[in-house]
Amino acid sequence: ILNVEQSPQSLHVQEGDSTNFTCSFPSSNFYALHWYRWETAKSPEALFVMTLNGDEKKKGRISATLNTKEGYSYLYIKGSQPEDSATYLCAFISSGGSNYKLTFGKGTLLTVNP
Amino acid sequence: ETGVTQSPTHLIKTRGQQVTLRCSSQSGHNTVSWYQQALGQGPQFIFQYYREEENGRGNFPPRFSGLQFPNYSSELNVNALELDDSALYLCASSVPGRNTEAFFGQGTRLTVV
Repeated sequence: ILNVEQSPQSLHVQEGDSTNFTCSFPSSNFYALHWYRWETAKSPEALFVMTLNGDEKKKGRISATLNTKEGYSYLYIKGSQPEDSATYLCAFISSGGSNYKLTFGKGTLLTVNP
Repeated sequence: ETGVTQSPTHLIKTRGQQVTLRCSSQSGHNTVSWYQQALGQGPQFIFQYYREEENGRGNFPPRFSGLQFPNYSSELNVNALELDDSALYLCASSVPGRNTEAFFGQGTRLTVV
């Protein structure tokens, strides 16, 4: 059974604060790690697809790093804005299967107060 | 907008009934996956279809079944509904590949009473 853990479970920050979350996943049979952003009443939206150890990806104020050897990824948000309020999900894909199923963590709920 | 649409958006069913949920995938995507998100949990993989064939299944009983059509749209069928089947059901379309993301619909909220 694959276990993907995210911390913290929820986070309240003030507008302008920088923040980060953690996703831990099995370090064996790594294939890919996805980050999704999910706003209330909308669809989950892909932020990053990460495949290589040491990957760093950036989209505007959001960036992510990947360490496949120790099994973790960090998501950073610089200068949080109220529109960043959402649930951030990470999902692991194992190389051990014949399909591309995503194994999700429970997510980190971010609330940015104006 | 992801281009993935699900119907209906909300549904209330009685225990023991059957339900069909529908998903139209993004143009050009030949793979559809279904996920169940129960309260307080992350989405859980139900199954995946690739070119109309089931291509992997999660830990769900056989009363959860699916179909994928030649246009790559998909259905999720659940028979003999139980109260614990109450959840948000998400479908995601994609193309196979290591660097490709999944595109999700907004989900169908199923309530079983």
